[in-house]
Amino acid sequence: GIQVEQSPPDLILQEGANSTLRCNFSDSVNNLQWFHQNPWGQLINLFYIPSGTKQNGRLSATTVATERYSLLYISSSQTTDSGVYFCAVIYNAGNMLTFGGGTRLMVKP
Amino acid sequence: SAVISQKPSRDICQRGTSLTIQCQVDSQVTMMFWYRQQPGQSLTLIATANQGSEATYESGFVIDKFPISRPNLTFSTLTVSNMSPEDSSIYLCSVTWTGGIEKLFFGSGTQLSVL
Repeated sequence: GIQVEQSPPDLILQEGANSTLRCNFSDSVNNLQWFHQNPWGQLINLFYIPSGTKQNGRLSATTVATERYSLLYISSSQTTDSGVYFCAVIYNAGNMLTFGGGTRLMVKP
Repeated sequence: SAVISQKPSRDICQRGTSLTIQCQVDSQVTMMFWYRQQPGQSLTLIATANQGSEATYESGFVIDKFPISRPNLTFSTLTVSNMSPEDSSIYLCSVTWTGGIEKLFFGSGTQLSVL
């Protein structure tokens, strides 16, 4: 099956800083999503982005499908951005969403 | 946006017992899934809940251990049977409203601890 690797595994930021989270995948994909799991366990869908660039407020995401990676940008981070960020993909030969290992983010005030 | 209600939100159970988790959506959905998240880990798909027929299980998960029902387009249950401490995890219901799996949305999860 497809391999999905996220980096860095852990990240600590000071409030107001910017960050870039990366998701590499080992096969061609037709579906890529980014999720945020808050400290209470709730998973929020941030982006559906199999290719191209999207922005939503302080968050933006870019997927370069031909090079098999996606980036999630967080600007002017806030303490409420803390939690775990997951990338998940469906590869062209499959029909199930495979999750990466996640990036655990802590934003300090 | 639609609401995905999952209950119980948490439970502490004795080994050897079973727990049934419910997932209720306030609008009809095309696909429903059940995921497991072991402590400190990522999410793993248990099965796809099919309306009116047997669920489709992923490798490593079997119907006897994780029976699933989906009687209609808005409701599903997952039972964790004959529990052991290794079953301690967060169990998550997820849904999609489109014909394919575009955007996936999650319920609030069930935190299960098995003593």
